[in-house]
Amino acid sequence: QQQVKQSPQSLIVQKGGISIINCAYENTAFDYFPWYQQFPGKGPALLIAIRPDVSEKKEGRFTISFNKSAKQFSLHIMDSQPGDSATYFCAASGGGGATNKLIFGTGTLLAVQP
Amino acid sequence: KAGVTQTPRYLIKTRGQQVTLSCSPISGHRSVSWYQQTPGQGLQFLFEYFSETQRNKGNFPGRFSGRQFSNSRSEMNVSTLELGDSALYLCASSLEFYNTQYFGPGTRLTVL
Repeated sequence: QQQVKQSPQSLIVQKGGISIINCAYENTAFDYFPWYQQFPGKGPALLIAIRPDVSEKKEGRFTISFNKSAKQFSLHIMDSQPGDSATYFCAASGGGGATNKLIFGTGTLLAVQP
Repeated sequence: KAGVTQTPRYLIKTRGQQVTLSCSPISGHRSVSWYQQTPGQGLQFLFEYFSETQRNKGNFPGRFSGRQFSNSRSEMNVSTLELGDSALYLCASSLEFYNTQYFGPGTRLTVL
């Protein structure tokens, strides 16, 4: 119940295209869903996050779509650029009690071809 | 504002040894969490500290321990190292609970 399932494992997109990464969770008590971007040799960096009271959040070229009834959320990267090539992790947190514990998905390796 | 800093950045140890990793959170942040990242298991939660108290612990053996000091700096210790402990150990800090977590660059531990 604590798992977050992420797909696809890897993704190749042409420059200017849309990258879509999907995640699903089981624990309905989760109330915070961030996406992190990680470059080789670096720690994960927060990209965008959403809470269940909204169905979509957009920041620049990055959009989270959230479907509470399906227990799914996804990251859309519009106008993908070679500089977006990195590993993306979805995560979930919450479930009662004061905690910042994040349950991470398995990651998606994105390659944007020029 | 300086980010989360972790020392050392790289570490090589042999089986059976112990190791201590250090994390300095962003100034003003009181919550520190530790994660282990491996190719096989991904990012896994180790433990979480707030105001010097461990608030949450992941599913790791007792060889993994940590603590937080009054200035919010944190250390984690791994005793009797095993080959499988080779990983990137990441520290993340946040103001309190329900806030954004910011990750440090990690400590790359290699156990030979």
